[in-house]
Amino acid sequence: ETAVFQTPNYHVTQVGNEVSFNCKQTLGHDTMYWYKQDSKKLLKIMFSYNNKQLIVNETVPRRFSPQSSDKAHLNLRIKSVEPEDSAVYLCASSYWNSDYTFGSGTRLLVI
Amino acid sequence: GDSVTQTEGPVTLSEGTSLTVNCSYETKQYPTLFWYVQYPGEGPQLLFKVPKANEKGSNRGFEATYNKEATSFHLQKASVQESDSAVYYCALGEMGYKLTFGTGTSLLVDP
Repeated sequence: ETAVFQTPNYHVTQVGNEVSFNCKQTLGHDTMYWYKQDSKKLLKIMFSYNNKQLIVNETVPRRFSPQSSDKAHLNLRIKSVEPEDSAVYLCASSYWNSDYTFGSGTRLLVI
Repeated sequence: GDSVTQTEGPVTLSEGTSLTVNCSYETKQYPTLFWYVQYPGEGPQLLFKVPKANEKGSNRGFEATYNKEATSFHLQKASVQESDSAVYYCALGEMGYKLTFGTGTSLLVDP
């Protein structure tokens, strides 16, 4: 099956902890993205990588860091989470400006 | 920067009635325009895209025309069904590596 796969589906953690989310795409795309979707369903891009190189780095707190081992994998680490980090984190991939394919998201709840 | 404005939801319709979701955009580029649909617990999925001005896109009975003069890309459907209940996003994509999304419009169709 070709798609974008995200793990975990859901994660609950306490303020100050570190979390890491994984994303893998089997579509052969060369660009991967992280988007944040807040409780009002607003979608904002955080990062994008093209062939393992950081292309877009929107204004996000420094506790967020993307990690790419190859063009099929893009992980997201959050050091010392805060309550406002509670959201759905969506991974996506594309080839140049082709159709984006999204994963089903990782839901983070910070308590 | 780029921006997308769309009908504020939620929108509630009865099955069989018509739908219009307004979308306006601002950009200095020549973007491709997209409509995405998101069902609960899933990531956004492409409904259709239109890369050129004055062309129309359509899928599953939904359609929209890329109006460059009016900078609009309104989504329409003549007769909605209960299964159309979802969140709809208008987005623009540049020759680059990110999509700029509108705020999303939640549609609820009563049977």
